[in-house]
Amino acid sequence: EVQLVESGGGLVQPGGSLRLSCVASGFAFSSAWMHWVRQVPGKGLVWVSQTNSDNSGVGYADSVKGRFSISRDNAKNTLYLQMNSLRDEDTGVYYCARGGVLYGLDCWGQGVLVTVSS
Amino acid sequence: QSALTQPPSASGSPGQSVTISCTGTSSDIGSYNSVSWYQQHPGKAPKLLIYEVNKRPSGVPDRFSGSKSGNTASLTVSGLQAEDESDFYCMSYAGSSKYVFGTGTKVTVL
Repeated sequence: EVQLVESGGGLVQPGGSLRLSCVASGFAFSSAWMHWVRQVPGKGLVWVSQTNSDNSGVGYADSVKGRFSISRDNAKNTLYLQMNSLRDEDTGVYYCARGGVLYGLDCWGQGVLVTVSS
Repeated sequence: QSALTQPPSASGSPGQSVTISCTGTSSDIGSYNSVSWYQQHPGKAPKLLIYEVNKRPSGVPDRFSGSKSGNTASLTVSGLQAEDESDFYCMSYAGSSKYVFGTGTKVTVL
């Protein structure tokens, strides 16, 4: 069974840092392009970041560029999102998802909640 | 990097069709065939319905279809069913390893 499981969320003060993890199983993680997507409960989806299979090609939304860093450990089947200088507007449920440029995001995790608040 | 524009809501009676538009720019939808559509029920993760403008993943009913013209993509749900009541989002590649989602459309089955 294809599965993605996120962890690492929680409450953090503005200006703080947090690292999210996403463990993959049931597919060839080392060949997959991966994404992070954020959603404030009750609001829309916002694309955050993407990495190709070996992390040699990454992309970020303008709102997080310079503060967030996406990475992966293919030996551990794990995707990461390092979030620094967190702001109130970074609050939301963060999903990891599998997908390439053409193929859409075909597998999603259950999401992990990040709350940035003083 | 502005969100793609979708109507906030759409509705139809069971058996009818509803079409949702997704308007972008020449920098995203207009330049790439990397348009995908997602369905999200409350409290659930999104589910891929359409990729590459008009292709359906295995298991997605053919009641769901996609198209694109210029800077606008569209999703049509035919033969509306009660379980189709949910939120729908479009997404497009925007170049330079960036992507953008639509604002989302809530579909109500009357």
